This record gives sequence, C-alpha cells and structure tokens, in this order.
Amino acid sequence: DQQVKQNSPSLSVQEGRISILNCDYTNSMFDYFLWYKKYPAEGPTFLISISSIKDKNEDGRFTVFLNKSAKHLSLHIVPSQPGDSAVYFCAASGGNQFYFGTGTSLTVIP
Amino acid sequence: GAVVSQHPSWVICKSGTSVKIECRSLDFQATTMFWYRQFPKQSLMLMATSNEGSKATYEQGVEKDKFLINHASLTLSTLTVTSAHPEDSSFYICSASRTGLNGYTFGSGTRLTVV
Repeated sequence: DQQVKQNSPSLSVQEGRISILNCDYTNSMFDYFLWYKKYPAEGPTFLISISSIKDKNEDGRFTVFLNKSAKHLSLHIVPSQPGDSAVYFCAASGGNQFYFGTGTSLTVIP
Repeated sequence: GAVVSQHPSWVICKSGTSVKIECRSLDFQATTMFWYRQFPKQSLMLMATSNEGSKATYEQGVEKDKFLINHASLTLSTLTVTSAHPEDSSFYICSASRTGLNGYTFGSGTRLTVV
C-alpha cells in the first residue's frame, strides 16, 4: 500500500512562474518529510526537508509547506527556471523507515 | 501497484560479520535495481546499479568486494555488506526501475547499525 503519493506524474510550467508539486501521505505518525530532485542517470539529490513541528520551511527559491491535518505536503519553486526541470520525489519518515512517492516530472518551459 | 519491499527494515550486527539486505519488486518485474546509501540530510548516494542476470555496475569509490550485489531474478536483488565495520552503519535504500513515466519505485530502506 502506497503510504506516500504523488498523484501528478508530470507538470509543465513557464519559466519565471511558480511550480507547485504536491504530495499526500496516509500515516499520521510520519514526523519528517523530504523532497529530492533527480536528473536522469543521477541519484536523487536532497533538496529541502521539514519536520512535523513546523508548517513551512524556506530555502531560497524553494519552500515546503506541511498541512498535517490534511496529511499534505507541497513544494513551491518560485521563480521556476529551466534548470529546475527534473523528477521530484517526496519522502516521509517515521522512525527507521523512509517512504517515497512515485515522483513528479517537472518541465520548465523557457 | 508498483511496490518494492525491502527487508529487513532495521538490523544490528557485530563488527566483522556480514549482513544481507533484500529488495523485492512485488507486483512488477524490475530489470534494473539501484542501491543507495543515505546519510542524514544528504542526497541519496548511488552505490551500484544491478541488472538481472549480469554483474552489478558500481559507482566510483564503492568497494565491490565489500558490497556484494546479486540480482538473480527479475523480482529480487540483494545487497550483502561483508565484514561490516561501524563506519558502514547507515541507511540503505533500494529502488527498482519500472516501465512508466518516472521509472522509479523505492523500497522503505534498511537501517544498518554495526557495533
């Protein structure tokens, strides 16, 4: 059973606009959430994380929002750049295990 | 669908012993599986790529004699950490390549602690 879901397999955004990638989870015991970015032929790169005690974490152009009541996580990228085109994975952890979503492929159109 | 099961989720072993970690694709055939090592708040470090029926391709700096990978079937790949040392303590994650837009399904990871 998929405990972390990314329901949009792909997303296209114009350069300079905001990209919003969504992630839903089912286990209320998850207390740490991460976003990874992956280019073809490379391993996933850690992007940003958030713990369950916060509802927002910002790092430059990247902001992660956590809505615990809705069990929903989102990554905002603003402004989007062509170099942001990649596959983005969200992951959730509660204890010793990580659960990954299936990824969203973001294409930023110049 | 597209579930990858990784076992065990947590293991403690004595220094000098070997530990085997299994990665299974439960409902699809995975011609390629990947093994990663995760350090806290860092990127997943790709260790090796294994293709069913052939030898694994190891990334630079990964000791192939220490991290033995076997991909004997389309649904199972194993990583054996041989003669484990405390510095091998880490979180190991597998993923399987499947047909699809993004092509990756991840296991839930194995936390290895070597004492």
